Amino acid sequence: QSALTQPRSVSGSPGQSVTISCTGTRSDVGAYNYVSWYQQHPGKAPKLMIYDVSKRPSGVPDRFSGSKSGNTASLTISGLQAEDEADYYCCSYAGDYTFVFGTGTKVTVL
Amino acid sequence: EVQLVESGGGLVQPGRSLRLSCAASGFTFDNYAMHWVRQAPGKGLEWVSGINWSSGSIAYADSVKDRFTISRDNAKNSLYLEMNSLRSEDTAFYYCAKDEGYYIDYWGQGTLVTVSS
Repeated sequence: QSALTQPRSVSGSPGQSVTISCTGTRSDVGAYNYVSWYQQHPGKAPKLMIYDVSKRPSGVPDRFSGSKSGNTASLTISGLQAEDEADYYCCSYAGDYTFVFGTGTKVTVL
Repeated sequence: EVQLVESGGGLVQPGRSLRLSCAASGFTFDNYAMHWVRQAPGKGLEWVSGINWSSGSIAYADSVKDRFTISRDNAKNSLYLEMNSLRSEDTAFYYCAKDEGYYIDYWGQGTLVTVSS
């Protein structure tokens, strides 16, 4: 049950695109198409942004997109906006009813 | 509107026990699996434990196995986490979370557990 690996931070100017990687193993990210992504602003509860690798819940802007290749999943934010500045966490189902979160990435809008 | 309200957090000495509760509303509680997720102050999210709708499937993170017990009372729309042999590294905000099929779609606001002498 080791945490999935994410970059500590990424940054971009308004309007630019940023991509956050989430690297796991053949037992979690590589084994299931059940990767989700969460946004967390300071002092707030996490918010679901992407589920099942690439699906967006209603209300989440289409600037947010997800993908997966092998043991690595990715979240891309296109057309970066000031309100996107937050921490982002990936999460993968890991079998036997267990889940594992990523180490978290701080997105900074320059 | 889905609401998850945690309670039971507080200051506890190492080695002691604490029981967290989560009151759920706004959805048919006994149709969904539920989870506890924690976050140490200034740190990342850590999945702690999950339970299916009938309590027939339960899982724990290795870090809490044999010390924590998850349970639910569908008649009371409530989720619980019994925490024993608490350690300083268990200090965290504990979130109650609703499962929508291999992902969490709703989170509570969290309750803070501080383990310190």
